Amino acid sequence: EVQLVQSGAEVKKPGESLKISCKGSGYSFTSYWIGWVRQMPGKGLEWMGIIYPGDSDTRYSPSFQGQVTISADKSISTAYLQWSSLKASDTAMYYCARRNGSYYYYMDVWGKGTTVTVSS
Amino acid sequence: DIQMTQSPSSLSASVGDRVTITCRASQGISNSLAWYQQKPGKAPKLLLYAASRLESGVPSRFSGSGSGTDYTLTISSLQPEDFATYYCQQYYSTPSRYTFGQGTKLEIK
Repeated sequence: EVQLVQSGAEVKKPGESLKISCKGSGYSFTSYWIGWVRQMPGKGLEWMGIIYPGDSDTRYSPSFQGQVTISADKSISTAYLQWSSLKASDTAMYYCARRNGSYYYYMDVWGKGTTVTVSS
Repeated sequence: DIQMTQSPSSLSASVGDRVTITCRASQGISNSLAWYQQKPGKAPKLLLYAASRLESGVPSRFSGSGSGTDYTLTISSLQPEDFATYYCQQYYSTPSRYTFGQGTKLEIK
């Protein structure tokens, strides 16, 4: 079964750093792009960026460029989303999703999400 | 960036109703459109891709159509489990700029 398993909920203080993870299984992790999506409380889905674990080619949405870092460790089939200095406005649910590998580039498999709460 | 505008933002309907949700792109996206369903506290679930192709396992009461800039998601006969929020996403642009519509919340009348 193709799965993306995300790390557990996090509660952090403003200014702290954080790295959340997304582990793929049941498919060739290096052959599919992994995207990250933010959902702030009560709001819609926002595209953050995407990485190709095969060569770590990473593309950021302009809205998130410089705000987060997306990375991957193909040896353990895991993608990451990290912050160097969290803000209260980073409080949200974060989803990883696999981009389909065929001609159609939709997101076909989603993780269950990681809740990040930033509060003093 | 390609902007995706969904309408309506919310919709009340009854079990058995036929409902249509529209997604308009700010420029042509050549059917590079997916529809997702999200229930409270859950991850989005893929329903359709390439504007009209049904994902495996998705009930046939869901259908999609459209071309150019205008696309629709239709549910032919609402079931209780269909009350959720629906999002469109374009994947026509460069991967850094995939964008979602703002969502349509489908509620029980």
